[in-house]
Amino acid sequence: GAVVSQHPSRVICKSGTSVKIECRSLDFQATTMFWYRQFPKQSLMLMATSNEGSKATYEQGVEKDKFLINHASLTLSTLTVTSAHPEDSSFYICSARDLSTAGELFFGSGTQLSVL
Amino acid sequence: GEDVEQSLFLSVREGDSSVINCTYTDSSSTYLYWYKQEPGAGLQLLTYIFSNMDMKQDQRLTVLLNKKDKHLSLRIADTQTGDSAIYFCAETDSWGKLQFGAGTQVVVTP
Repeated sequence: GAVVSQHPSRVICKSGTSVKIECRSLDFQATTMFWYRQFPKQSLMLMATSNEGSKATYEQGVEKDKFLINHASLTLSTLTVTSAHPEDSSFYICSARDLSTAGELFFGSGTQLSVL
Repeated sequence: GEDVEQSLFLSVREGDSSVINCTYTDSSSTYLYWYKQEPGAGLQLLTYIFSNMDMKQDQRLTVLLNKKDKHLSLRIADTQTGDSAIYFCAETDSWGKLQFGAGTQVVVTP
């Protein structure tokens, strides 16, 4: 099946720094990618929908100035956590929709962010 | 409350069948999904069912859908240790977005 590569898999950073997470669709084009956040023992919560060539659509309660999303090409979306704080520590997962296969969603392997 | 609900934990002996249950609220859901998440990994789509079906079988996996009760279940036959993972059910809401349950941790014991 299609592959979504997410990078890095794990990052530890100091409070106040910014962290960029990349999500790439390796063998298909994705006009739409999604960013999720998962707290331990909880469900995945959709943070935002990333649209190629236009602004991301954020879910209610998600700060767009804190979680910057850029979808500059059909195969790459990035999520930047700006001025990270310990409460931003979480597991972040991206997914991409492959329109050639009836819109099936493929997920990246996730990024564990720990903010000290 | 949660739009998609599932029990948090299931323990099953190797070789037995596992049944994971899920209830959802959006009656307009077109597709319902089961995903598997292994430790530290992303989600892997296991199977899905279209809302006009009531059963789908795929090798060891059987999905049952009761649309009237908005109840979805996943049965894993002959459960193996490699089936230990967290299983998420998900529905697509009216906007086409996936809404996930909190996940069921399945632990397979020898």
